[in-house]
Amino acid sequence: DVKVTQSSRYLVKRTGEKVFLECVQDMDHENMFWYRQDPGLGLRLIYFSYDVKMKEKGDIPEGYSVSREKKERFSLILESASTNQTSMYLCASSFYNRASTEAFFGQGTRLTVV
Amino acid sequence: RKEVEQDPGPFNVPEGATVAFNCTYSNSASQSFFWYRQDCRKEPKLLMSVYSSGNEDGRFTAQLNRASQYISLLIRDSKLSDSATYLCVVKRPDNYGQNFVFGPGTRLSVLP
Repeated sequence: DVKVTQSSRYLVKRTGEKVFLECVQDMDHENMFWYRQDPGLGLRLIYFSYDVKMKEKGDIPEGYSVSREKKERFSLILESASTNQTSMYLCASSFYNRASTEAFFGQGTRLTVV
Repeated sequence: RKEVEQDPGPFNVPEGATVAFNCTYSNSASQSFFWYRQDCRKEPKLLMSVYSSGNEDGRFTAQLNRASQYISLLIRDSKLSDSATYLCVVKRPDNYGQNFVFGPGTRLSVLP
């Protein structure tokens, strides 16, 4: 069974803290993605990676960075958490350049910044 | 204009009803199309891929019209368990492979 696993379901952090969200997939996918989902705004792409050590900005990269040191792991980093980063964060993965294959999602991390 | 747009919803329908969702996309280079289902406070999960010839999976039928850049999802004989948000998803090429673009979703509530 395919699996994308995010390290935490719920997190509460203080403003200014550095926050790490971890994602691991076991499907040997090349592509990995980080999205955030907010009511009324849908899923918005923060960063994606198509290979180890490669990363590309998505639509809303400000305030975030990522790391991909191994193919199966993609980390999202909030350098200095702010209250407007309170959101549901979703990691996804897919094969690279296979048009018909879908994205698989982790269970999501609900982050609250206080 | 958003790259993928959907009916705003919500749709409230009685059990047994037929309901149709519409989706339009603006990037003509888009290559693959999907409907995802998302339950409250859960992750999106693939409901079905959408093929040019149209495809059916039980009570669900998906259609694609490339010329009009339009995708639809039809649910027949609605069940209470169909209550969820339905996301239209388009896969388009970019410089680094392919990327998924999500519509805002349409919420469906099936009422007893």
